Amino acid sequence: QSALTQPASVSGSPGQSITISCTGTSSDVGGYNYVSWYQHHPGKAPKLMISYVSNRPSGISNRFSGSKSGNTASLTISGLQAEDEADYYCSSYTNSRSYVFGTGTKVTVL
Amino acid sequence: QVQLQESGPGLVKPSETLSLTCALSGDSMRSSDWWSWVRQAPGKALEWIGEISHTGTTNYIPSLKSRVVMSVDMSKNQISLQLTSVTAADTALYFCARGADYVWHMWGQGTLVTVSS
Repeated sequence: QSALTQPASVSGSPGQSITISCTGTSSDVGGYNYVSWYQHHPGKAPKLMISYVSNRPSGISNRFSGSKSGNTASLTISGLQAEDEADYYCSSYTNSRSYVFGTGTKVTVL
Repeated sequence: QVQLQESGPGLVKPSETLSLTCALSGDSMRSSDWWSWVRQAPGKALEWIGEISHTGTTNYIPSLKSRVVMSVDMSKNQISLQLTSVTAADTALYFCARGADYVWHMWGQGTLVTVSS
């Protein structure tokens, strides 16, 4: 199972919006609504930001939103803040009854 | 405060067995929980290794299935991972994660394991 494809880095100024894409296949992203997004500050525990493509868990800012079109899922961060600077990973359930992660995207707040 | 904490040897020799434990504190394991191990080799993407339910039902990634054993001890609130015949390619940051219904709601901070003689 190949990793889902994410851009290596995305940057934006405070207050701006950025979008991170996550491209897979019909065997994973395109075939299931079990796409999640995780925020990871190195040295800390990864944190669930979005589940089931677009569901925001309790306590997660509404500046984070998710969507999916075909085999590509996206995470949008609006009103970018310094604290959003982190690595972001998407994940998807697959038709092999396993999970696959994205390659990871480093978000930089300029 | 509910948290997960991975622990184990930071250095394992090639061909030996990597053994890690993940302890849940501040809460009790639930019947709905599925516990996963995920790893990240240096400079690489996260890789899901497998999962185990509270009953001990397991599901491993095919590429590691022959070398992986996961176990759960609800009385101790912990899960374990054993990876046999390790090589340098198994050097990674290993995370445990608590999940349900295809989502990991909680993760540990990870523990670094280096395979080297």
